[in-house]
Amino acid sequence: GQQVMQIPQYQHVQEGEDFTTYCNSSTTLSNIQWYKQRPGGHPVFLIQLVKSGEVKKQKRLTFQFGEAKKNSSLHITATQTTDVGTYFCADPIQGAQKLVFGQGTRLTINP
Amino acid sequence: DAGVTQSPTHLIKTRGQHVTLRCSPISGHKSVSWYQQVLGQGPQFIFQYYEKEERGRGNFPDRFSARQFPNYSSELNVNALLLGDSALYLCASSLNQYGFTDTQYFGPGTRLTVL
Repeated sequence: GQQVMQIPQYQHVQEGEDFTTYCNSSTTLSNIQWYKQRPGGHPVFLIQLVKSGEVKKQKRLTFQFGEAKKNSSLHITATQTTDVGTYFCADPIQGAQKLVFGQGTRLTINP
Repeated sequence: DAGVTQSPTHLIKTRGQHVTLRCSPISGHKSVSWYQQVLGQGPQFIFQYYEKEERGRGNFPDRFSARQFPNYSSELNVNALLLGDSALYLCASSLNQYGFTDTQYFGPGTRLTVL
């Protein structure tokens, strides 16, 4: 079935270092969504990318959608302890009316 | 405004029992979706409801069922519980039927433990 693969599964960084997570699909995505889930919390919507090659920024977070719309990335500059959590990409499957999540990248930070 | 609410927050059941989980969407939201999140994995889609009708179904057995009420709240029912049903059950609401192009607002979830 349709799925999105996310790497890495885990990432541990020192506070102040950068972080990147990648999301890949074998099929062309209509759009891609990104969520953050804090430890013990629930997923919180961050952003949706729609256009080929789209780049969006939210403060220290930069989101990219690949030219072929088969991959996406989330980059965090100068991580802070508040960035701790698991970051998920999700593929909205329009015809099936469902959201397919990647496995997530769990980010931990050494202060 | 209140966000998505779910009840109960935690639940412990034994194998073979059934369970009912409840969700109230954000006021004005007509679409409710249910997800199962096993520890260490991403949420898995179970159902989507819009205007009281099922609009999408994930790859879950018939032991899982749901419904949406006229006030747009929703219930998820699971019969004949198995150990593998232990998970965080998340409810998400959005404005429209095609909710997956809209922002999805997740509730805090119900943590179900099956012994």
